[in-house]
Amino acid sequence: DAGITQSPRHKVTETGTPVTLRCHQTENHRYMYWYRQDPGHGLRLIHYSYGVKDTDKGEVSDGYSVSRSKTEDFLLTLESATSSQTSVYFCAINGQGRTEAFFGQGTRLTVV
Amino acid sequence: KQEVTQIPAALSVPEGENLVLNCSFTDSAIYNLQWFRQDPGKGLTSLLLIQSSQREQTSGRLNASLDKSSGRSTLYIAASQPGDSATYLCVDGTASKLTFGTGTRLQVTL
Repeated sequence: DAGITQSPRHKVTETGTPVTLRCHQTENHRYMYWYRQDPGHGLRLIHYSYGVKDTDKGEVSDGYSVSRSKTEDFLLTLESATSSQTSVYFCAINGQGRTEAFFGQGTRLTVV
Repeated sequence: KQEVTQIPAALSVPEGENLVLNCSFTDSAIYNLQWFRQDPGKGLTSLLLIQSSQREQTSGRLNASLDKSSGRSTLYIAASQPGDSATYLCVDGTASKLTFGTGTRLQVTL
């Protein structure tokens, strides 16, 4: 199995609280991504990283921030969680060039 | 901008049938194409990766092909089983951002 893990796997939080999701990889891949998946929608890109301290926005980045201080870790933060951010969040990794992409197991986040 | 389309969007077949899932892409300057499956409530599992220099890849009952000139990839599943029921996605991994196909939801019935 590919070395990519997400934590926590499940989380319930209250509206207005900050939440941080972690993605950890052991593949030394350059690119890391955060997606959200909601019923009736495919995977939508929130943010991605193309190196340490190098990040960029995806199509649904409002309300989210990310950080990557080490190659292996990519953090997704919801500064003030809202009910619309209830979703399943997936992390993915991809190397540069002709390598295989892998996805984490997902984090189910519920904002009440 | 690359666009990746999968046809059909949904497919139901009886167990034992051989089937083909289609993936079309608009930009043929592709590094690789990867096929994934996603079971309900689960993450994406990588099935096969085809490099641009390759024409096909095989893993067990699965065979994926890539024809860059026509902008097409196919996933062939032999002797389908109920356990093959899932959503199948093709993904262009060329750019810094992955480009996902629209997906095919497969149901294999007993």
